[in-house]
Amino acid sequence: AQTVTQSQPEMSVQEAETVTLSCTYDTSENNYYLFWYKQPPSRQMILVIRQEAYKQQNATENRFSVNFQKAAKSFSLKISDSQLGDTAMYFCAFGGGSNYKLTFGKGTLLTVNP
Amino acid sequence: SAVISQKPSRDICQRGTSLTIQCQVDSQVTMMFWYRQQPGQSLTLIATANQGSEATYESGFVIDKFPISRPNLTFSTLTVSNMSPEDSSIYLCSVDTPTGVSSYEQYFGPGTRLTVT
Repeated sequence: AQTVTQSQPEMSVQEAETVTLSCTYDTSENNYYLFWYKQPPSRQMILVIRQEAYKQQNATENRFSVNFQKAAKSFSLKISDSQLGDTAMYFCAFGGGSNYKLTFGKGTLLTVNP
Repeated sequence: SAVISQKPSRDICQRGTSLTIQCQVDSQVTMMFWYRQQPGQSLTLIATANQGSEATYESGFVIDKFPISRPNLTFSTLTVSNMSPEDSSIYLCSVDTPTGVSSYEQYFGPGTRLTVT
């Protein structure tokens, strides 16, 4: 069974600064996907970024980028130039195996301060 | 990505009653998922719903409590039966990518906030 661990329950950052959210996972799968989802107070889950395990290049989406370390089973999210609208709960998720299910971490509450 | 709607967006129900939550997608999708998110917690998968087959339930969730229908490729319902205050949660519907080839990427509806008194 897969496990996803987010060791930072809460984090805060000043507007315009950079912050990194940590995620580690455990799996015996060789092919899998990793995701970061954002859930603002509106509770809508929004896909932020995805990484395929077979790709060595780290995924980037505008101000969001990941540091994927497959051997270490680490998948961190870096948010550059933080904005007030980035305030949300961030969930790391793992997808692998034949059932197409996602396993979510417990989440990190990120607060961006003005 | 897909556009997903859920009804109702929120409800307050009395214990012992049942509530049916609807999930509608703007395109045909292979897999639909139902999650529960208890207050301040992460998402827990209740079941996977495929069109034309029985839903597959996760450990700790049973069909009698959470019956699911999937009549076509764009619609599903989740019923929360014989509710108790412990069922107070956000219930989320999600779908995989509407390409016909599942890739684990899921898109979520806006959720239904259920309060049981």
